[in-house]
Amino acid sequence: AQSVTQPDIHITVSEGASLELRCNYSYGATPYLFWYVQSPGQGLQLLLKYFSGDTLVQGIKGFEAEFKRSQSSFNLRKPSVHWSDAAEYFCAVGARRNSGKLIFGQGTTLQVKP
Amino acid sequence: NAGVTQTPKFQVLKTGQSMTLQCAQDMNHNSMYWYRQDPGMGLRLIYYSASEGTTDKGEVPNGYNVSRLNKREFSLRLESAAPSQTSVYFCASSEAPSGRATEQYFGPGTRLTVT
Repeated sequence: AQSVTQPDIHITVSEGASLELRCNYSYGATPYLFWYVQSPGQGLQLLLKYFSGDTLVQGIKGFEAEFKRSQSSFNLRKPSVHWSDAAEYFCAVGARRNSGKLIFGQGTTLQVKP
Repeated sequence: NAGVTQTPKFQVLKTGQSMTLQCAQDMNHNSMYWYRQDPGMGLRLIYYSASEGTTDKGEVPNGYNVSRLNKREFSLRLESAAPSQTSVYFCASSEAPSGRATEQYFGPGTRLTVT
Protein backbone atom coordinates (compact mmCIF):
# COMPACT_ATOMS: atom_id res chain seq x y z
CA ALA A 1 0.00 0.00 0.00
CA GLN A 2 1.10 3.52 -0.67
CA SER A 3 1.76 5.98 2.12
CA VAL A 4 3.29 9.40 2.55
CA THR A 5 5.00 10.86 5.60
CA GLN A 6 5.78 14.51 6.14
CA PRO A 7 7.88 14.43 9.31
CA ASP A 8 7.61 18.14 10.08
CA ILE A 9 4.19 19.37 11.12
CA HIS A 10 5.29 22.97 11.53
CA ILE A 11 8.37 24.84 10.27
CA THR A 12 9.38 28.45 10.85
CA VAL A 13 11.99 30.17 8.70
CA SER A 14 13.14 33.74 8.35
CA GLU A 15 12.33 35.64 5.19
CA GLY A 16 15.20 35.26 2.75
CA ALA A 17 16.40 32.00 4.29
CA SER A 18 16.42 28.72 2.41
CA LEU A 19 13.71 26.14 2.89
CA GLU A 20 13.53 22.37 2.71
CA LEU A 21 10.32 20.46 3.42
CA ARG A 22 10.66 16.71 3.79
CA CYS A 23 8.51 14.04 2.22
CA ASN A 24 9.01 10.29 2.43
CA TYR A 25 6.85 7.81 0.60
CA SER A 26 6.24 4.10 0.64
CA TYR A 27 5.44 2.42 -2.65
CA GLY A 28 6.73 -0.70 -4.34
CA ALA A 29 7.07 0.60 -7.87
CA THR A 30 8.10 3.93 -9.32
CA PRO A 31 5.78 6.50 -7.79
CA TYR A 32 4.22 9.57 -9.28
CA LEU A 33 4.93 12.40 -6.85
CA PHE A 34 3.37 15.79 -6.30
CA TRP A 35 3.70 18.83 -4.08
CA TYR A 36 0.72 21.08 -3.43
CA VAL A 37 0.38 24.38 -1.55
CA GLN A 38 -2.68 25.58 0.29
CA SER A 39 -3.07 29.17 1.42
CA PRO A 40 -5.49 29.82 4.29
CA GLY A 41 -9.10 29.39 3.23
CA GLN A 42 -8.14 28.26 -0.26
CA GLY A 43 -8.05 25.08 -2.25
CA LEU A 44 -4.86 23.22 -3.14
CA GLN A 45 -2.61 24.42 -5.93
CA LEU A 46 -0.08 22.21 -7.68
CA LEU A 47 3.54 23.34 -7.20
CA LEU A 48 5.30 20.59 -9.13
CA LYS A 49 5.17 16.95 -10.11
CA TYR A 50 7.50 14.05 -10.89
CA PHE A 51 6.62 11.22 -13.22
CA SER A 52 9.94 10.10 -14.66
CA GLY A 53 13.21 11.37 -16.09
CA ASP A 54 15.29 14.10 -14.48
CA THR A 55 15.08 13.62 -10.72
CA LEU A 56 15.30 17.37 -10.04
CA VAL A 57 12.05 19.04 -11.03
CA GLN A 58 11.25 22.71 -11.17
CA GLY A 59 7.91 24.12 -10.21
CA ILE A 60 6.09 27.39 -9.87
CA LYS A 61 6.96 30.19 -7.46
CA GLY A 62 10.67 29.27 -7.47
CA PHE A 63 10.22 25.84 -5.86
CA GLU A 64 12.07 22.69 -6.81
CA ALA A 65 12.04 19.11 -5.57
CA GLU A 66 14.42 16.18 -5.89
CA PHE A 67 13.36 12.57 -6.20
CA LYS A 68 15.75 10.20 -4.43
CA ARG A 69 14.75 6.61 -5.00
CA SER A 70 17.35 5.22 -2.57
CA GLN A 71 15.91 7.31 0.23
CA SER A 72 12.24 7.11 -0.85
CA SER A 73 12.14 10.87 -0.59
CA PHE A 74 10.84 13.82 -2.56
CA ASN A 75 11.90 16.90 -0.62
CA LEU A 76 10.74 20.38 -1.60
CA ARG A 77 13.23 23.25 -1.62
CA LYS A 78 13.37 26.97 -2.18
CA PRO A 79 16.59 29.02 -2.02
CA SER A 80 15.05 32.18 -0.56
CA VAL A 81 11.67 32.24 1.15
CA HIS A 82 9.26 35.15 0.77
CA TRP A 83 6.61 36.13 3.32
CA SER A 84 3.95 35.12 0.78
CA ASP A 85 5.18 31.52 0.94
CA ALA A 86 3.58 31.10 4.36
CA ALA A 87 1.03 28.33 3.79
CA GLU A 88 0.44 24.63 4.24
CA TYR A 89 2.29 22.24 1.96
CA PHE A 90 1.20 18.75 1.04
CA CYS A 91 3.17 15.95 -0.57
CA ALA A 92 1.20 13.30 -2.47
CA VAL A 93 1.95 9.99 -4.19
CA GLY A 94 0.08 8.24 -6.96
CA ALA A 95 0.42 5.03 -8.93
CA ARG A 96 0.42 3.91 -12.54
CA ARG A 97 -2.98 2.21 -12.44
CA ASN A 98 -5.07 3.18 -9.45
CA SER A 99 -7.94 5.25 -10.81
CA GLY A 100 -5.80 8.36 -10.57
CA LYS A 101 -6.02 8.34 -6.81
CA LEU A 102 -3.46 10.24 -4.76
CA ILE A 103 -2.42 9.61 -1.18
CA PHE A 104 -1.63 12.81 0.70
CA GLY A 105 0.71 13.43 3.59
CA GLN A 106 -0.55 15.19 6.68
CA GLY A 107 0.91 18.50 5.61
CA THR A 108 3.59 20.90 6.82
CA THR A 109 2.65 24.40 7.91
CA LEU A 110 5.26 26.99 6.98
CA GLN A 111 5.54 30.18 8.97
CA VAL A 112 7.80 32.96 7.67
CA LYS A 113 9.37 35.41 10.13
CA PRO A 114 10.03 38.94 8.91
CA ASN B 1 -12.44 28.34 -17.97
CA ALA B 2 -13.51 28.11 -14.31
CA GLY B 3 -11.69 24.84 -13.48
CA VAL B 4 -13.41 23.11 -10.55
CA THR B 5 -16.32 24.85 -8.90
CA GLN B 6 -18.08 23.89 -5.68
CA THR B 7 -21.30 25.04 -4.06
CA PRO B 8 -22.03 26.10 -1.43
CA LYS B 9 -18.94 27.73 0.08
CA PHE B 10 -20.28 27.58 3.62
CA GLN B 11 -23.06 25.58 5.26
CA VAL B 12 -24.34 25.06 8.78
CA LEU B 13 -26.54 22.04 9.43
CA LYS B 14 -28.27 20.65 12.46
CA THR B 15 -27.67 17.02 13.39
CA GLY B 16 -29.89 14.78 11.28
CA GLN B 17 -30.38 17.22 8.42
CA SER B 18 -29.39 16.28 4.89
CA MET B 19 -27.63 18.22 2.16
CA THR B 20 -25.88 17.81 -1.15
CA LEU B 21 -22.56 19.38 -2.07
CA GLN B 22 -22.23 20.14 -5.75
CA CYS B 23 -19.06 19.98 -7.83
CA ALA B 24 -18.47 20.65 -11.50
CA GLN B 25 -15.38 20.73 -13.71
CA ASP B 26 -14.97 22.15 -17.20
CA MET B 27 -11.66 20.49 -18.12
CA ASN B 28 -13.19 17.35 -19.64
CA HIS B 29 -11.47 15.24 -17.00
CA ASN B 30 -12.28 11.57 -16.62
CA SER B 31 -11.90 11.24 -12.86
CA MET B 32 -13.36 13.17 -9.96
CA TYR B 33 -12.81 12.95 -6.22
CA TRP B 34 -14.29 14.08 -2.92
CA TYR B 35 -12.00 14.69 0.05
CA ARG B 36 -12.47 15.94 3.55
CA GLN B 37 -9.79 17.95 5.35
CA ASP B 38 -9.50 17.95 9.10
CA PRO B 39 -6.73 19.58 11.16
CA GLY B 40 -3.63 17.41 11.38
CA MET B 41 -5.07 14.69 9.15
CA GLY B 42 -4.29 15.93 5.65
CA LEU B 43 -6.81 15.11 2.96
CA ARG B 44 -8.78 11.89 3.19
CA LEU B 45 -10.58 10.47 0.20
CA ILE B 46 -14.31 9.95 0.71
CA TYR B 47 -15.44 8.72 -2.71
CA TYR B 48 -14.14 8.88 -6.22
CA SER B 49 -15.36 8.37 -9.74
CA ALA B 50 -12.76 7.00 -12.12
CA SER B 51 -14.99 7.62 -15.13
CA GLU B 52 -18.51 8.70 -15.98
CA GLY B 53 -20.95 6.11 -14.67
CA THR B 54 -18.69 4.64 -11.99
CA THR B 55 -18.18 5.49 -8.33
CA ASP B 56 -16.12 3.82 -5.61
CA LYS B 57 -15.49 4.18 -1.92
CA GLY B 58 -12.39 5.85 -0.65
CA GLU B 59 -10.84 5.83 2.77
CA VAL B 60 -13.74 7.35 4.76
CA PRO B 61 -17.06 6.71 2.95
CA ASN B 62 -19.36 6.08 5.90
CA GLY B 63 -22.22 8.57 6.14
CA TYR B 64 -21.85 9.78 2.56
CA ASN B 65 -23.21 8.98 -0.88
CA VAL B 66 -22.18 10.27 -4.28
CA SER B 67 -23.57 10.65 -7.76
CA ARG B 68 -21.61 11.14 -10.96
CA LEU B 69 -24.37 12.93 -12.82
CA ASN B 70 -22.41 13.27 -16.06
CA LYS B 71 -18.79 13.80 -17.01
CA ARG B 72 -18.79 17.32 -15.58
CA GLU B 73 -20.63 16.90 -12.30
CA PHE B 74 -20.00 14.88 -9.14
CA SER B 75 -22.15 15.47 -6.06
CA LEU B 76 -21.69 14.41 -2.45
CA ARG B 77 -24.71 13.80 -0.23
CA LEU B 78 -24.95 13.67 3.52
CA GLU B 79 -28.18 11.85 4.31
CA SER B 80 -28.21 12.46 8.07
CA ALA B 81 -25.50 14.86 9.15
CA ALA B 82 -23.51 14.22 12.32
CA PRO B 83 -21.15 16.53 14.22
CA SER B 84 -18.26 14.26 13.17
CA GLN B 85 -18.88 15.40 9.61
CA THR B 86 -17.91 18.96 10.47
CA SER B 87 -15.03 19.51 8.07
CA VAL B 88 -13.84 21.25 4.93
CA TYR B 89 -14.81 19.34 1.81
CA PHE B 90 -12.85 19.53 -1.42
CA CYS B 91 -13.75 18.29 -4.83
CA ALA B 92 -10.99 17.55 -7.32
CA SER B 93 -10.68 16.26 -10.85
CA SER B 94 -7.92 14.76 -12.97
CA GLU B 95 -7.38 13.42 -16.44
CA ALA B 96 -6.09 10.07 -15.11
CA PRO B 97 -5.71 8.31 -18.49
CA SER B 98 -6.11 4.55 -18.02
CA GLY B 99 -6.13 5.11 -14.29
CA ARG B 100 -2.64 6.61 -14.18
CA ALA B 101 -2.13 9.25 -11.52
CA THR B 102 -1.96 12.76 -12.93
CA GLU B 103 -2.22 16.10 -11.22
CA GLN B 104 -5.52 16.76 -9.53
CA TYR B 105 -7.18 20.15 -9.74
CA PHE B 106 -9.04 21.29 -6.66
CA GLY B 107 -12.10 23.39 -6.04
CA PRO B 108 -12.18 26.16 -3.42
CA GLY B 109 -13.83 23.96 -0.78
CA THR B 110 -17.02 23.88 1.28
CA ARG B 111 -16.81 24.60 5.00
CA LEU B 112 -19.49 22.53 6.71
CA THR B 113 -20.44 22.81 10.36
CA VAL B 114 -22.85 20.35 11.93
CA THR B 115 -24.29 21.41 15.28
